[in-house]
Amino acid sequence: DADVTQTPRNRITKTGKRIMLECSQTKGHDRMYWYRQDPGLGLQLIYYSFDVKDINKGEISDGYSVSRQAQAKFSLSLESAIPNQTALYFCATSEGLAGGRQETQYFGPGTRLLVL
Amino acid sequence: GENVEQHPSTLSVQEGDSAVIKCTYSDSASNYFPWYKQELGKRPQLIIDIRSNVGEKKDQRIAVTLNKTAKHFSLHITETQPEDSAVYFCAASMTNTGFQKLVFGTGTRLLVSP
Repeated sequence: DADVTQTPRNRITKTGKRIMLECSQTKGHDRMYWYRQDPGLGLQLIYYSFDVKDINKGEISDGYSVSRQAQAKFSLSLESAIPNQTALYFCATSEGLAGGRQETQYFGPGTRLLVL
Repeated sequence: GENVEQHPSTLSVQEGDSAVIKCTYSDSASNYFPWYKQELGKRPQLIIDIRSNVGEKKDQRIAVTLNKTAKHFSLHITETQPEDSAVYFCAASMTNTGFQKLVFGTGTRLLVSP
């Protein structure tokens, strides 16, 4: 789905470095998410945001921070990268329906991160 | 919190056979159950979903069934084709202060042999 993009697509960094992964969307969705995917563990929610002024922790937020710079942009930062943060990271968006009804999430292409 | 278990972790079938992937969930308040397909090196994409007010939904060769009493739901793929080979994830939505967060299963790698 070209409406959700992530940069970079691949990144190699060293332990202790600060890095930022970026996500942009042209779908006009209010809600954005960051997930981490590890082999055999499915997708785990790191942070999510309902709108520009709203940031919420997910299941595995320790060691990560986020910034919602605009409705269309949601960035994930690793303040001091460590090897066990090596994973595939996905951004996702959803429309945000009234009444708390669940809605489809659309995923970006992913960023493959290797921490040495 | 919500927990979603998915089985099997790998599934190999011959082209034309049927494939069934099963998931169980723990939170009886869950009411939305999507299935995502992830091809090698690609992003997860929604293939079908079901809400708790129905027991079955079909879309061509794909169907999903839901048993709320037993808290399990299944993905059925009939007449499998090699292009069905991928990792399939189930998910369940968990209500948390008004926000229905998706909790994913650990995935099933489906291999369809010609």
